[in-house]
Amino acid sequence: GNSVTQMEGPVTLSEEAFLTINCTYTATGYPSLFWYVQYPGEGLQLLLKATKADDKGSNKGFEATYRKETTSFHLEKGSVQVSDSAVYFCALNFHNAGNMLTFGGGTRLMVKP
Amino acid sequence: KAGVTQTPRYLIKTRGQQVTLSCSPISGHRSVSWYQQTPGQGLQFLFEYFSETQRNKGNFPGRFSGRQFSNSRSEMNVSTLELGDSALYLCASSLEVGPKNTEAFFGQGTRLTVV
Repeated sequence: GNSVTQMEGPVTLSEEAFLTINCTYTATGYPSLFWYVQYPGEGLQLLLKATKADDKGSNKGFEATYRKETTSFHLEKGSVQVSDSAVYFCALNFHNAGNMLTFGGGTRLMVKP
Repeated sequence: KAGVTQTPRYLIKTRGQQVTLSCSPISGHRSVSWYQQTPGQGLQFLFEYFSETQRNKGNFPGRFSGRQFSNSRSEMNVSTLELGDSALYLCASSLEVGPKNTEAFFGQGTRLTVV
């Protein structure tokens, strides 16, 4: 079946540090890929997405590139802020499976001032 | 416009009881999906409804069921509650299904505690 693997957290960084959260997937075919963020006490919010190979999703300084050859979708940000502290989820979806999302385990990011 | 509304936000139930959770999607959205979030299993897909029909179902026992009404509001029901059903239940609302869809919008969730 389809699966998503993320690096385990927590990831602890100082403000303005560079962030990378690794995400790889296993799937038959070429899914759409997503990063969602969950702030404390909240539901999930879509951060960015990519629907085909070599697409780059970007939002709020975060970026991720769909790499078909390595089945990866790593999340990066050049300079993190304290307000970026949250749990980040990588997910995939196949259109023929409706809106069903398969999520990775989540990575908690803690940014210290 | 209003977001996805889930009620109640918190719920405490006893083993063996049943529970019904409600989700009101964003106005105009016709697809509603449900997820269970636990520390051990992470986020797992329960089911998806579109135009009152269940389109997909995850790997959960028959104690978990759902439905969608003509106004797109959805309910999920868990019967004969077990301690392991304690979780955050998240509802996601989408405009359409398939390639026309853009993204899923999540509610804040219902925190269910089974004692």
